[in-house]
Amino acid sequence: GQQVMQIPQYQHVQEGEDFTTYCNSSTTLSNIQWYKQRPGGHPVFLIQLVKSGEVKKQKRLTFQFGEAKKNSSLHITATQTTDVGTYFCAGHSGGGADGLTFGKGTHLIIQP
Amino acid sequence: KAGVTQTPRYLIKTRGQQVTLSCSPISGHRSVSWYQQTPGQGLQFLFEYFSETQRNKGNFPGRFSGRQFSNSRSEMNVSTLELGDSALYLCASSSGGRYGYTFGSGTRLTVV
Repeated sequence: GQQVMQIPQYQHVQEGEDFTTYCNSSTTLSNIQWYKQRPGGHPVFLIQLVKSGEVKKQKRLTFQFGEAKKNSSLHITATQTTDVGTYFCAGHSGGGADGLTFGKGTHLIIQP
Repeated sequence: KAGVTQTPRYLIKTRGQQVTLSCSPISGHRSVSWYQQTPGQGLQFLFEYFSETQRNKGNFPGRFSGRQFSNSRSEMNVSTLELGDSALYLCASSSGGRYGYTFGSGTRLTVV
C-alpha cells in the first residue's frame, strides 16, 4: 500500500535558525496536506497543495510540492518558540479516493 | 462555530471488553474520518464515512468498526480489546476541497 516517509524524525534548532522537513511518497499523490501537532494536542491543518511544482507561503512557512507529485517539503524561516511541535505531511493517492496517509512526523525542538 | 467533539476524553478498559467512541463533526461537514495515533506507528487511518456510507477503510482487523448517522455524527467500536489497542483515537471532519481535516481532541484509550 501507499507509504509516506518523512525525515528527519527529530530536529533540534536554536531559536532563530531555519528548519526544513521532507516528505516522500511511494506513489503519486493527488494532493498533500501539512498538519502541526503541539505537545499534548491534536493535529491542526496548515495547508493543502494540489498542483505539480506548487509553492505556497504562510508568513515564515514555505510549502513545496514536487514536480512528480511524490515529494514535498516544509521550510520555516527564523524559528520561534511557538513553532515547537510535530509537523506531519499527509497524502491522498488514487485521485483522493483512498484515505489520508500520514508520515510519521518531524518533531521540532527549539532551544532558546 | 463549534469544533469536532469527541467523547469520552479518557477511557480505561480491560482486555477482552469492547468500547464505543463518539464523534460529532463540525456542523455541515459530511465526511468523518477516524485515526489511531501511537508513539510507535504514528497516525494510522482507520476509516472514513461520508453521508452514512463507509468510503475508505484502512488496514485494521475486523474488530474495528464504525458507523455514521444521518446527522453526520459517527461512532467507532472496538471489540475484544487487546493491550495493543491502547492509543489516542482521533476523529476528523471535512467539508472537502482545500480546507483539509479538522481534528477533535481525541479519546485516550488505555487497555489493561
